[in-house]
Amino acid sequence: GENVEQHPSTLSVQEGDSAVIKCTYSDSASNYFPWYKQELGKGPQLIIDIRSNVGEKKDQRIAVTLNKTAKHFSLHITETQPEDSAVYFCAASKVRSQGNLIFGKGTKLSVKP
Amino acid sequence: SAVISQKPSRDICQRGTSLTIQCQVDSQVTMMFWYRQQPGQSLTLIATANQGSEATYESGFVIDKFPISRPNLTFSTLTVSNMSPEDSSIYLCSVGLHQETQYFGPGTRLLVL
Repeated sequence: GENVEQHPSTLSVQEGDSAVIKCTYSDSASNYFPWYKQELGKGPQLIIDIRSNVGEKKDQRIAVTLNKTAKHFSLHITETQPEDSAVYFCAASKVRSQGNLIFGKGTKLSVKP
Repeated sequence: SAVISQKPSRDICQRGTSLTIQCQVDSQVTMMFWYRQQPGQSLTLIATANQGSEATYESGFVIDKFPISRPNLTFSTLTVSNMSPEDSSIYLCSVGLHQETQYFGPGTRLLVL
């Protein structure tokens, strides 16, 4: 079955710097890759996703890149702000197979003012 | 996206008792899921709540321990039965709105003493 590895487990950056979180997956049939942000005491919030027919997707300060050959994808946050502090989870699944989201172990991002 | 609510938001229970968690969505959805997030850990799918039929459980989860109801397209319940301290977790419901995308509720934080 699918296995998703996520690194680093913790990340501390200064406000205004960039943050990068990386994930690798094992199942070459996976073709949908969402990223979730979970703040303390809340449920995971979908912040961006990418499908395998696209190499990069951007939404304001957040971008995701996908390398299908290497089976890895990354989340990039630019100009970080203290409110970006949270735990970020990557996941992988096959398109049109809802319920089959396999999550990474999460990255705790701390943005220091 | 959808507005998803869960009740209760948190609870402290005695071992051996059962707790039923409710999940309500503000629109009709085909797919509803239940996840467990153990302290400091990632998300693990418990089951898919199917409307009009029995839930589909993932490996390691059984109906006797986690009975699920799905009486209509906007509501589902998860019961954690005969609880032990190992059941202390965050329980999350999610919904699938289009293709493989899932949105999560705020979670129910359960502590079993």
